[in-house]
Amino acid sequence: EIVLTQSPGTLSLSPGERATLSCRASQSVGSSSLAWYQQKPGQAPRLLIYAVSSRATGIPDRFSGSGAGADFTLTITRLDPEDFGVYYCHQYGSSPGTFGQGTKVEIK
Amino acid sequence: QVPLLQSGPEVKKPGSSVKVSCKASGDTFSRYIINWVRQAPGQGPEWMGKITPILDVSNYAPKFQDRVRITADKSTSTVYMELSSLRSEDTAFYYCTRGHYYDSWGQGTLVTVSS
Repeated sequence: EIVLTQSPGTLSLSPGERATLSCRASQSVGSSSLAWYQQKPGQAPRLLIYAVSSRATGIPDRFSGSGAGADFTLTITRLDPEDFGVYYCHQYGSSPGTFGQGTKVEIK
Repeated sequence: QVPLLQSGPEVKKPGSSVKVSCKASGDTFSRYIINWVRQAPGQGPEWMGKITPILDVSNYAPKFQDRVRITADKSTSTVYMELSSLRSEDTAFYYCTRGHYYDSWGQGTLVTVSS
């Protein structure tokens, strides 16, 4: 199965700053099948990005995804206080689908 | 209308089984695959398996192949996940999700395994 490694483990930034989250796969992710989710305490994850760079319905344009092959990035420009939480990448191109271990974004 | 609505929390003994339900609304049942994903405390999500409800075809992650069964009831648009031979490490939130990438999640069902 494909192992996804996310970095950094924790990101502590101030509102208005830029956040860059990395997701590296143990092998190439097929068909650009890479998604990103945000999870807040006590809630189910929420889809942000699918197919590497497509924003889900209702997701603000300060969230963007990029990458190819085995290296992917989620960028949050101009961090908003509501953006705190844990972010997970997810590959769904190969079975079994797998998730990264998460990056926690803390708002200073 | 909530696309996916799950059953309530469960407390189970080690060695027993649990069956969690997920009622799909609207066209979710007929148009989407339904997955089961679990998340242990402080960990990332983990895919367990999926079903194509209209075809009644299921696929499972190798890790759970021997212990999980996912079924669908067309008459009630409900998908079920049954996990057997429970152990303490199975304590987690269990979510149903739809699609290949998960644009909708159930609210989660906490399954606690404790003697």
